Amino acid sequence: EAGVVQSPRYKIIEKKQPVAFWCNPISGHNTLYWYRQNLGQGPELLIRYENEEAVDDSQLPKDRFSAERLKGVDSTLKIQPAELGDSAVYLCASSLGEGARDEQFFGPGTRLTVL
Amino acid sequence: DQQVKQNSPSLSVQEGRISILNCDYTNSMFDYFLWYKKYPAEGPTFLISISSIKDKNEDGRFTVFLNKSAKHLSLHIVPSQPGDSAVYFCAASSGTGNQFYFGTGTSLTVIP
Repeated sequence: EAGVVQSPRYKIIEKKQPVAFWCNPISGHNTLYWYRQNLGQGPELLIRYENEEAVDDSQLPKDRFSAERLKGVDSTLKIQPAELGDSAVYLCASSLGEGARDEQFFGPGTRLTVL
Repeated sequence: DQQVKQNSPSLSVQEGRISILNCDYTNSMFDYFLWYKKYPAEGPTFLISISSIKDKNEDGRFTVFLNKSAKHLSLHIVPSQPGDSAVYFCAASSGTGNQFYFGTGTSLTVIP
């Protein structure tokens, strides 16, 4: 069974440029998560989707970050414009969506460097 | 405000010995706890979990202990193997939602 796929794996951009990350969750997983992991820290939730609905986006900086999950499958996370402090690893995870004890399966992440 | 804390950034253990990784939490509403393991350039993978109705859960070489009164949990790996070298994250959630709160991680090195 294929795992969570993310692309690109690495991205280097200049500040004020836009950037987008893509995630393909495990087939059949209804819940999708985007996390940000800063250097030396644990992952922090940015947004959670149940199918195509964003049910928790309280930690998403909405002035520059946006996300979508069309058709309840793939998802994209966008930053526009990027700032130096956005340098981090952006992780996507998915779960079956059966409840609060769902095991979350993580992708390898996209490492973003903003210069 | 960090609700889940791992105060040891790194730990080195000889192969065959016990590794003990510690985690503290502040939110008394947390009732489900997990440990994730992360290799470089990979996403975290689930290792073991424990519900607050238990104080111990064992899976092969891995055992998680929960002390609710102290708001503390620990992961024991016995015996430690070089392949266990990774970063270990503790995470916690409350029954009301799917959000996991992660600690900052402990980098374990098992020396052959």
